[in-house]
Amino acid sequence: SQTIHQWPATLVQPVGSPLSLECTVEGTSNPNLYWYRQAAGRGLQLLFYSVGIGQISSEVPQNLSASRPQDRQFILSSKKLLLSDSGFYLCAWDGQAWDYGYTFGSGTRLTVV
Amino acid sequence: SQQGEEDPQALSIQEGENATMNCSYKTSINNLQWYRQNSGRGLVHLILIRSNEREKHSGRLRVTLDTSKKSSSLLITASRAADTASYFCATVVNNAGNMLTFGGGTRLMVKP
Repeated sequence: SQTIHQWPATLVQPVGSPLSLECTVEGTSNPNLYWYRQAAGRGLQLLFYSVGIGQISSEVPQNLSASRPQDRQFILSSKKLLLSDSGFYLCAWDGQAWDYGYTFGSGTRLTVV
Repeated sequence: SQQGEEDPQALSIQEGENATMNCSYKTSINNLQWYRQNSGRGLVHLILIRSNEREKHSGRLRVTLDTSKKSSSLLITASRAADTASYFCATVVNNAGNMLTFGGGTRLMVKP
């Protein structure tokens, strides 16, 4: 069965520090992967998606970047965090089909102080 | 930008009652999905309804879709305290790959 792992679960980082959040998928190959951000009490905003190694599409210009160094690994990064980067970050896999729901990771709660 | 908007934003009911949440969207869709999120957790897929379907059931869940009105509803029957969570609708828009666009969610509280 397919599973998606995301870590760390919580992170408190000072303004200006770098960020690296990792997401890995097991049990499938060549997955379509997505990074979403959720502000407190709000819906999800799509940040990046990737359909394969080295292929990244950005939906929202921002202080973040993403990379896909391996088939089942998706990384969200920042060189210098801003206060506005605080939020709940979720990685997801779309099941490779039009009529299949997403599987989400458990999320990372990032607080920039 | 948000494609879907849920209504109401918050709903409080007693255990055993039915809960109805509505979702409206703006553009043509391939399918519409409902997700549940417990506080501080990831989202869990509940049900998917295709654009050519009008109603779908899964256990205590009933979803309807009206593409002429660009709206959907999620009905949870005989609610339980464990149904307390936020519920989100999300759409796969035509000609946009398989990307999901989410609404702002409905926060449901079921009181025991």
